[in-house]
Amino acid sequence: KAGVTQTPRYLIKTRGQQVTLSCSPISGHRSVSWYQQTPGQGLQFLFEYFSETQRNKGNFPGRFSGRQFSNSRSEMNVSTLELGDSALYLCASSLAQGAFYYNEQFFGPGTRLTVL
Amino acid sequence: TQLLEQSPQFLSIQEGENLTVYCNSSSVFSSLQWYRQEPGEGPVLLVTVVTGGEVKKLKRLTFQFGDARKDSSLHITAAQPGDTGLYLCAASNDYKLSFGAGTTVTVRA
Repeated sequence: KAGVTQTPRYLIKTRGQQVTLSCSPISGHRSVSWYQQTPGQGLQFLFEYFSETQRNKGNFPGRFSGRQFSNSRSEMNVSTLELGDSALYLCASSLAQGAFYYNEQFFGPGTRLTVL
Repeated sequence: TQLLEQSPQFLSIQEGENLTVYCNSSSVFSSLQWYRQEPGEGPVLLVTVVTGGEVKKLKRLTFQFGDARKDSSLHITAAQPGDTGLYLCAASNDYKLSFGAGTTVTVRA
C-alpha cells in the first residue's frame, strides 16, 4: 500500500511569488491535514479537509489556503511568499472513521520550501 | 504558544543507557500521541494513550499517561542508535494535532 506522497519534495521561490504544493493521501483515506514545520515554531497546524470540506484552520494569514478534491487529493497554496514561509510543509492523511483521535495520522515526507 | 511542553529539548546518550522524555500541559486531553521523526521524513506514530494512568509498552519503549491526563512520559530502555530521532508528543482535538516542540534524541554507538 503506497504511503502519503507529496510533490514537489523541494522548492525554491523568491519573495512575492506564490506556490502550490500537492498531497496524495493513502488510498481510502478521506481526511487530509497540512502542517508547517520550522526550527523555531515546531509543527504548526494549517488546515484539515474531509470530503472536500475544511473542518478546521490554524492561525495562519489568509495567504495560506488549501482545498481538497473529490478523490481526496489536496493542494495548499501560499501567495505573496515571505522569507518566514521557508519551512517543511507536511501533509497527513487518515481514514477519518469515528473520533478524530482514534484515526492514525500518516504523514508524508514533506515539501521543503525555501524562500529567497 | 505551545500547549504541550516537552523536556528536555536535547538528549545525547550512549548506547545501552536509558532515557525519559516528558510532555506536560496545564490542559486536560482526551488522548495524547507520541511520534518519532527522522531526518527527511514525516513523523511516524508510536502510540496513542487515552486513559488516565495508562501504561503502554512497545518493545523497549514505555509510554505513560498521567492520572489527570495532563502529562505523559516516554521511557526507552537500553537505547540503540536506531532510536535516534525527534520525539514529539501531540494532543488531538477539533480535527487537528497540537504538537510539543519535540525532544531531539541522539544515541551514540
